Amino acid sequence: DAKTTQPNSMESNEEEPVHLPCNHSTISGTDYIHWYRQLPSQGPEYVIHGLTSNVNNRMASLAIAEDRKSSTLILHRATLRDAAVYYCILRDVEDSNYQLIWGAGTKLIIKP
Amino acid sequence: ETGVTQSPTHLIKTRGQQVTLRCSSQSGHNTVSWYQQALGQGPQFIFQYYREEENGRGNFPPRFSGLQFPNYSSELNVNALELDDSALYLCASSFVGLSTDTQYFGPGTRLTVL
Repeated sequence: DAKTTQPNSMESNEEEPVHLPCNHSTISGTDYIHWYRQLPSQGPEYVIHGLTSNVNNRMASLAIAEDRKSSTLILHRATLRDAAVYYCILRDVEDSNYQLIWGAGTKLIIKP
Repeated sequence: ETGVTQSPTHLIKTRGQQVTLRCSSQSGHNTVSWYQQALGQGPQFIFQYYREEENGRGNFPPRFSGLQFPNYSSELNVNALELDDSALYLCASSFVGLSTDTQYFGPGTRLTVL
């Protein structure tokens, strides 16, 4: 079973910020929080990851709650090309069996 | 630097047949993972290969098998195909040894079993 909980879908207007929430109440101290997204008819692509501190990259920002039981992926200015399914995944770095357990993700709909 | 490629892009088979899907890893990566993605669902982990050895397996029967070659390309073989095997099959390569373990996915092979 997926160790994360996400809303099934979200809508946002183009050129506005988007906040995608993820709950992971059973997170352990060695779990990294990874985000991937899957555009229509494509394979998933890496977006961002973090452990405890907030993280920024050219694609997005990741805000991690102080207790690490939830996180939020922030797209600062959504475009139509950001319409995709966004997956929040926990990855235990001490697990040698490198298996990502995926939930159903959040389908992000961008309205022009 | 080339990305992850998969072949073929689409495939149609009949129940009971066998199929081989291929994946070429991103340059410099030593690990490949295979996933099955049914329509409307997230990918499900099938197995992972690291330096030509199976390094982990999800909840899939033995008729799903794989190979990783010295050049880190990989194959997924499925025997005795069933209708429920119809799905998008994804391979992902990564370099084990980095804390990020970021996986890079190919575009997938769409398998239809009739």
